[in-house]
Amino acid sequence: GAGVSQSPSNKVTEKGKDVELRCDPISGHTALYWYRQSLGQGLEFLIYFQGNSAPDKSGLPSDRFSAERTGGSVSTLTIQRTQQEDSAVYLCASSSPGGFSGANVLTFGAGSRLTVL
Amino acid sequence: AQKVTQAQTEISVVEKEDVTLDCVYETRDTTYYLFWYKQPPSGELVFLIRRNSFDEQNEISGRYSWNFQKSTSSFNFTITASQVVDSAVYFCALSGVRGGSYIPTFGRGTSLIVHP
Repeated sequence: GAGVSQSPSNKVTEKGKDVELRCDPISGHTALYWYRQSLGQGLEFLIYFQGNSAPDKSGLPSDRFSAERTGGSVSTLTIQRTQQEDSAVYLCASSSPGGFSGANVLTFGAGSRLTVL
Repeated sequence: AQKVTQAQTEISVVEKEDVTLDCVYETRDTTYYLFWYKQPPSGELVFLIRRNSFDEQNEISGRYSWNFQKSTSSFNFTITASQVVDSAVYFCALSGVRGGSYIPTFGRGTSLIVHP
Protein backbone atom coordinates (compact mmCIF):
# COMPACT_ATOMS: atom_id res chain seq x y z
CA GLY A 1 0.00 0.00 0.00
CA ALA A 2 0.92 3.64 -0.18
CA GLY A 3 1.35 4.01 3.55
CA VAL A 4 1.26 2.06 6.79
CA SER A 5 -2.30 1.09 7.66
CA GLN A 6 -3.46 0.31 11.16
CA SER A 7 -6.78 -1.00 12.37
CA PRO A 8 -8.87 -0.38 14.28
CA SER A 9 -8.21 3.32 14.62
CA ASN A 10 -10.08 3.32 17.92
CA LYS A 11 -10.88 0.47 20.27
CA VAL A 12 -12.75 0.65 23.54
CA THR A 13 -12.76 -2.52 25.57
CA GLU A 14 -13.54 -3.72 29.03
CA LYS A 15 -10.86 -4.72 31.48
CA GLY A 16 -10.01 -8.39 31.11
CA LYS A 17 -10.91 -8.70 27.44
CA ASP A 18 -8.42 -9.58 24.72
CA VAL A 19 -7.71 -7.19 21.85
CA GLU A 20 -5.97 -7.52 18.51
CA LEU A 21 -4.40 -4.61 16.70
CA ARG A 22 -3.42 -4.94 13.07
CA CYS A 23 -0.67 -3.32 11.03
CA ASP A 24 -0.28 -3.48 7.28
CA PRO A 25 3.16 -2.05 6.38
CA ILE A 26 4.30 -0.49 3.15
CA SER A 27 4.72 -3.14 0.50
CA GLY A 28 8.32 -4.33 0.36
CA HIS A 29 9.30 -2.99 3.78
CA THR A 30 10.94 -5.89 5.57
CA ALA A 31 11.33 -4.19 8.94
CA LEU A 32 8.31 -3.56 11.15
CA TYR A 33 8.18 -1.89 14.56
CA TRP A 34 5.54 -1.54 17.24
CA TYR A 35 5.67 1.36 19.67
CA ARG A 36 3.29 2.50 22.37
CA GLN A 37 2.56 6.17 22.98
CA SER A 38 1.12 7.11 26.33
CA LEU A 39 0.34 10.64 27.39
CA GLY A 40 3.54 12.42 28.31
CA GLN A 41 5.61 9.25 27.92
CA GLY A 42 6.91 9.55 24.42
CA LEU A 43 7.27 6.47 22.27
CA GLU A 44 7.93 3.22 24.09
CA PHE A 45 9.43 0.44 21.95
CA LEU A 46 7.54 -2.85 22.07
CA ILE A 47 8.81 -5.23 19.38
CA TYR A 48 10.71 -5.33 16.11
CA PHE A 49 10.28 -7.72 13.18
CA GLN A 50 12.74 -8.44 10.43
CA GLY A 51 10.72 -10.42 7.94
CA ASN A 52 8.62 -12.81 9.98
CA SER A 53 11.04 -13.16 12.84
CA ALA A 54 11.25 -10.98 15.91
CA PRO A 55 14.91 -10.62 16.92
CA ASP A 56 13.99 -8.10 19.59
CA LYS A 57 11.01 -8.59 21.88
CA SER A 58 12.63 -6.81 24.77
CA GLY A 59 10.09 -4.05 24.94
CA LEU A 60 6.97 -6.15 25.49
CA PRO A 61 5.81 -5.03 28.95
CA SER A 62 4.41 -8.37 30.09
CA ASP A 63 3.52 -11.86 28.91
CA ARG A 64 0.02 -10.58 28.17
CA PHE A 65 1.50 -8.93 25.10
CA SER A 66 2.40 -10.89 21.99
CA ALA A 67 2.87 -10.16 18.32
CA GLU A 68 3.27 -12.04 15.12
CA ARG A 69 3.94 -11.27 11.52
CA THR A 70 2.99 -13.49 8.63
CA GLY A 71 4.15 -13.53 5.04
CA GLY A 72 6.62 -10.79 5.81
CA SER A 73 3.74 -8.37 5.72
CA VAL A 74 0.80 -7.93 8.08
CA SER A 75 1.49 -7.91 11.81
CA THR A 76 -0.90 -8.40 14.69
CA LEU A 77 -0.29 -7.19 18.23
CA THR A 78 -2.39 -9.07 20.77
CA ILE A 79 -3.04 -7.94 24.31
CA GLN A 80 -4.65 -10.52 26.55
CA ARG A 81 -6.64 -9.76 29.69
CA THR A 82 -6.36 -6.03 29.12
CA GLN A 83 -5.72 -3.71 32.04
CA GLN A 84 -6.44 -0.01 32.36
CA GLU A 85 -2.73 0.78 32.18
CA ASP A 86 -2.73 -0.69 28.66
CA SER A 87 -4.70 2.33 27.46
CA ALA A 88 -2.50 4.12 24.93
CA VAL A 89 -1.98 4.73 21.24
CA TYR A 90 -0.24 1.79 19.60
CA LEU A 91 1.89 2.86 16.67
CA CYS A 92 3.23 0.67 13.93
CA ALA A 93 6.07 1.67 11.63
CA SER A 94 7.91 0.03 8.79
CA SER A 95 11.18 0.71 7.03
CA SER A 96 13.23 -0.31 4.06
CA PRO A 97 15.58 -1.92 3.36
CA GLY A 98 15.30 -3.31 6.85
CA GLY A 99 18.13 -5.25 8.30
CA PHE A 100 20.05 -4.27 11.37
CA SER A 101 20.71 -0.73 10.35
CA GLY A 102 20.32 2.20 12.64
CA ALA A 103 20.03 4.37 9.55
CA ASN A 104 16.50 3.23 8.81
CA VAL A 105 13.91 5.95 8.44
CA LEU A 106 10.59 4.83 9.87
CA THR A 107 7.24 5.42 8.19
CA PHE A 108 4.49 5.42 10.79
CA GLY A 109 0.84 4.55 10.65
CA ALA A 110 -1.84 6.70 12.22
CA GLY A 111 -2.03 4.43 15.26
CA SER A 112 -4.67 2.46 17.11
CA ARG A 113 -6.05 4.21 20.17
CA LEU A 114 -6.90 1.67 22.85
CA THR A 115 -9.08 2.58 25.81
CA VAL A 116 -9.56 0.01 28.53
CA LEU A 117 -12.51 0.75 30.82
CA ALA B 1 21.94 1.84 26.67
CA GLN B 2 20.69 4.71 24.58
CA LYS B 3 18.84 7.67 25.91
CA VAL B 4 17.26 10.74 24.38
CA THR B 5 16.23 13.69 26.51
CA GLN B 6 13.91 16.42 25.35
CA ALA B 7 13.69 18.58 28.42
CA GLN B 8 11.10 20.96 27.00
CA THR B 9 7.67 19.41 27.44
CA GLU B 10 5.76 22.27 25.86
CA ILE B 11 6.72 25.50 24.15
CA SER B 12 4.29 28.25 23.29
CA VAL B 13 5.22 31.04 20.87
CA VAL B 14 3.54 33.66 18.78
CA GLU B 15 3.66 33.40 15.02
CA LYS B 16 6.88 34.69 13.42
CA GLU B 17 8.96 34.05 16.51
CA ASP B 18 12.00 31.80 16.22
CA VAL B 19 11.99 28.71 18.41
CA THR B 20 14.60 26.09 19.26
CA LEU B 21 13.75 22.57 20.37
CA ASP B 22 16.47 20.90 22.40
CA CYS B 23 17.60 17.30 22.13
CA VAL B 24 20.37 15.72 24.20
CA TYR B 25 21.39 12.11 23.71
CA GLU B 26 23.49 9.40 25.32
CA THR B 27 25.05 6.45 23.53
CA ARG B 28 28.12 4.25 23.73
CA ASP B 29 28.15 3.68 19.99
CA THR B 30 30.73 5.52 17.93
CA THR B 31 28.51 5.26 14.86
CA TYR B 32 24.94 6.35 15.32
CA TYR B 33 22.09 8.23 13.70
CA LEU B 34 19.94 11.05 14.93
CA PHE B 35 16.46 11.88 13.70
CA TRP B 36 13.69 14.39 14.11
CA TYR B 37 10.06 13.46 13.51
CA LYS B 38 6.99 15.69 13.55
CA GLN B 39 3.60 14.56 14.84
CA PRO B 40 0.90 17.05 13.80
CA PRO B 41 -2.50 17.07 15.50
CA SER B 42 -3.72 14.58 12.88
CA GLY B 43 -1.51 12.00 14.56
CA GLU B 44 0.93 10.42 12.09
CA LEU B 45 4.62 10.91 12.78
CA VAL B 46 6.45 12.28 9.79
CA PHE B 47 10.19 12.08 9.23
CA LEU B 48 12.03 15.41 9.05
CA ILE B 49 15.76 14.74 9.07
CA ARG B 50 18.46 12.13 9.67
CA ARG B 51 22.10 12.81 10.54
CA ASN B 52 24.92 10.35 11.08
CA SER B 53 27.51 10.74 13.78
CA PHE B 54 30.31 11.53 11.36
CA ASP B 55 28.62 14.51 9.81
CA GLU B 56 28.47 17.50 12.10
CA GLN B 57 27.60 20.00 9.43
CA ASN B 58 24.58 22.02 10.30
CA GLU B 59 21.69 21.70 7.93
CA ILE B 60 19.11 24.20 6.76
CA SER B 61 15.90 23.39 4.95
CA GLY B 62 13.73 26.42 4.41
CA ARG B 63 12.69 27.70 7.83
CA TYR B 64 14.08 24.61 9.55
CA SER B 65 17.66 24.21 10.70
CA TRP B 66 19.48 21.64 12.78
CA ASN B 67 22.57 22.07 14.94
CA PHE B 68 24.47 18.85 15.68
CA GLN B 69 27.23 19.12 18.28
CA LYS B 70 28.99 15.91 19.34
CA SER B 71 30.93 17.76 22.03
CA THR B 72 27.70 18.42 23.93
CA SER B 73 25.78 15.38 22.59
CA SER B 74 23.07 17.64 21.29
CA PHE B 75 21.00 17.79 18.12
CA ASN B 76 18.85 20.91 18.37
CA PHE B 77 16.15 21.94 15.95
CA THR B 78 15.33 25.57 15.17
CA ILE B 79 12.25 26.85 13.39
CA THR B 80 12.67 30.38 12.07
CA ALA B 81 9.65 32.65 11.71
CA SER B 82 7.29 30.05 13.13
CA GLN B 83 3.85 29.55 11.64
CA VAL B 84 0.62 28.13 13.03
CA VAL B 85 1.11 25.05 10.82
CA ASP B 86 4.28 24.27 12.77
CA SER B 87 2.13 23.40 15.79
CA ALA B 88 2.86 19.76 16.51
CA VAL B 89 4.73 17.41 18.80
CA TYR B 90 8.34 17.02 17.73
CA PHE B 91 10.33 13.91 18.58
CA CYS B 92 14.06 13.45 18.55
CA ALA B 93 15.32 9.87 18.08
CA LEU B 94 18.62 8.01 18.20
CA SER B 95 19.73 4.67 16.82
CA GLY B 96 23.04 2.88 16.76
CA VAL B 97 24.46 0.04 14.74
CA ARG B 98 25.27 -2.70 17.18
CA GLY B 99 23.24 -5.07 19.28
CA GLY B 100 19.75 -3.85 19.87
CA SER B 101 20.75 -0.21 19.52
CA TYR B 102 19.63 -0.16 15.89
CA ILE B 103 16.09 0.09 17.23
CA PRO B 104 15.33 3.83 17.39
CA THR B 105 15.01 5.29 20.87
CA PHE B 106 12.70 8.29 21.03
CA GLY B 107 12.59 11.20 23.42
CA ARG B 108 9.36 12.16 25.14
CA GLY B 109 8.63 14.83 22.59
CA THR B 110 8.20 18.59 22.74
CA SER B 111 4.78 20.02 22.07
CA LEU B 112 5.06 23.25 20.10
CA ILE B 113 2.08 25.58 20.06
CA VAL B 114 2.25 28.51 17.67
CA HIS B 115 -0.38 31.16 18.29
CA PRO B 116 -1.56 33.44 15.48
